[in-house]
Amino acid sequence: DAGVTQSPTHLIKTRGQQVTLRCSPKSGHDTVSWYQQALGQGPQFIFQYYEEEERQRGNFPDRFSGHQFPNYSSELNVNALLLGDSALYLCASSLAPGGNGYTFGSGTRLTVV
Amino acid sequence: AQSVTQPDIHITVSEGASLELRCNYSYGATPYLFWYVQSPGQGLQLLLKYFSGDTLVQGIKGFEAEFKRSQSSFNLRKPSVHWSDAAEYFCAVGVFKAAGNKLTFGGGTRVLVKP
Repeated sequence: DAGVTQSPTHLIKTRGQQVTLRCSPKSGHDTVSWYQQALGQGPQFIFQYYEEEERQRGNFPDRFSGHQFPNYSSELNVNALLLGDSALYLCASSLAPGGNGYTFGSGTRLTVV
Repeated sequence: AQSVTQPDIHITVSEGASLELRCNYSYGATPYLFWYVQSPGQGLQLLLKYFSGDTLVQGIKGFEAEFKRSQSSFNLRKPSVHWSDAAEYFCAVGVFKAAGNKLTFGGGTRVLVKP
């Protein structure tokens, strides 16, 4: 049973560029959440997608946007990259917005130079 | 708004010794509480969770945690640590609503295990 799959595992971008990160949820899960984990810190909630809609959003600027597809996979887009966007981006899947079990992927390490 | 505090940034423990990691939370309603472990370069693995009922929760890898409402705490314990327990540990409080849910994490505690 495949868990949460994220791609790519690592990437390097230049300030001002745009980036797209991808996430495939665990089989049977229909909800995807994204978290940003800066070095030495705990993960911070970015947003959650369910039924192809953004259901809840954390304290992140509009440069951070997302999408969920009919097969429940999801993308995280970040525009106008800043050095401070360098972090590990984690995707977590669950069953339904009120679900109480999260499965996390291994993350995408984004470095902005 | 909810928050989580993990007072210890680093803890060093000898292999075979006991381990206790502290977690304090702030949340206005009954909390949903979690402990996750993260090995270097990896994602988060769920150790255990508390939703209701028995305040002593058993998890994987021999870990347990105790919910104390009066102290707003959810401390994680293990009687005898193994070298493979060296990792970073995160406590989190979950907010579950019909419109969506999210986890709020503490800053983490890094555990080092001495031979």
